[in-house]
Amino acid sequence: DAMVIQNPRYQVTQFGKPVTLSCSQTLNHNVMYWYQQKSSQAPKLLFHYYDKDFNNEADTPDNFQSRRPNTSFCFLDIRSPGLGDAAMYLCATSRDPGAGYEQYFGPGTRLTVT
Amino acid sequence: AQTVTQSQPEMSVQEAETVTLSCTYDTSESDYYLFWYKQPPSRQMILVIRQEAYKQQNATENRFSVNFQKAAKSFSLKISDSQLGDAAMYFCAYRSAGEWTGANSKLTFGKGITLSVRP
Repeated sequence: DAMVIQNPRYQVTQFGKPVTLSCSQTLNHNVMYWYQQKSSQAPKLLFHYYDKDFNNEADTPDNFQSRRPNTSFCFLDIRSPGLGDAAMYLCATSRDPGAGYEQYFGPGTRLTVT
Repeated sequence: AQTVTQSQPEMSVQEAETVTLSCTYDTSESDYYLFWYKQPPSRQMILVIRQEAYKQQNATENRFSVNFQKAAKSFSLKISDSQLGDAAMYFCAYRSAGEWTGANSKLTFGKGITLSVRP
C-alpha cells in the first residue's frame, strides 16, 4: 500500500547532539510537511517542501533544518537538540499544496532528549 | 491569524450511542476549509471529514457528519453508532483556501479532544 513512512519510530538523543529524522513516501506526492507535536498539544507546522521549494514557518527555530533530496524522501535535522525539543515529529504529504488536498500523515517519530 | 478552539479536553460515549465534539474557530477570511482528524493511540493521524466553507451543505462520511455554522464559526463533529475503534484523539483543523502562496499552506489545529468509548 502507498504510504508515509517515518524512521525511526522512537529516537533518543543527548542534549546538544545532532539528530536526523527520516520520512519517505510512496504516494509520489509533491508536498511534504514536518509538524512538531508536544504532549497533549496540537501539531504545529515547522516547514514544508513543494517539490524543491522550501517554505519555513516564521516561528520555526533556526535549530531545525530540513532536506529533500528527491521526491520520496525528506529529512528533519535538529542541530543541537534541547530538552524543549522532545516531542512527536509528524511527517505528512499531499499531492498538491492547495487547501482542498488531503494531507496524509506518517506514524510519527517520538524524540526523547536526555 | 486564524485560531481553532476545542474547549472540551475529554469526552466519553457508550458504544452504539451518538456523541458530538465541538469546535469553534476565528478567521477574517471568507474562503477556507475545515477538517476533523483522528489520531488513535500510537497510530497515524487520518482525515475523518472535510468541509468547504463556501458549501452550505454539511459534509457526511458514513457515521460521521458535521454541523457547520459559518456565521457562528462553529464546526462540530457528530459520530453516530459509536464503535470501540472510534476511541482516539480528534483534532479540528482550519486551512485557508485560495491559491498557494507558501505562507497559507498550514493546517491550524485545535488542541484536540480525547474520546473514549465505553463497551
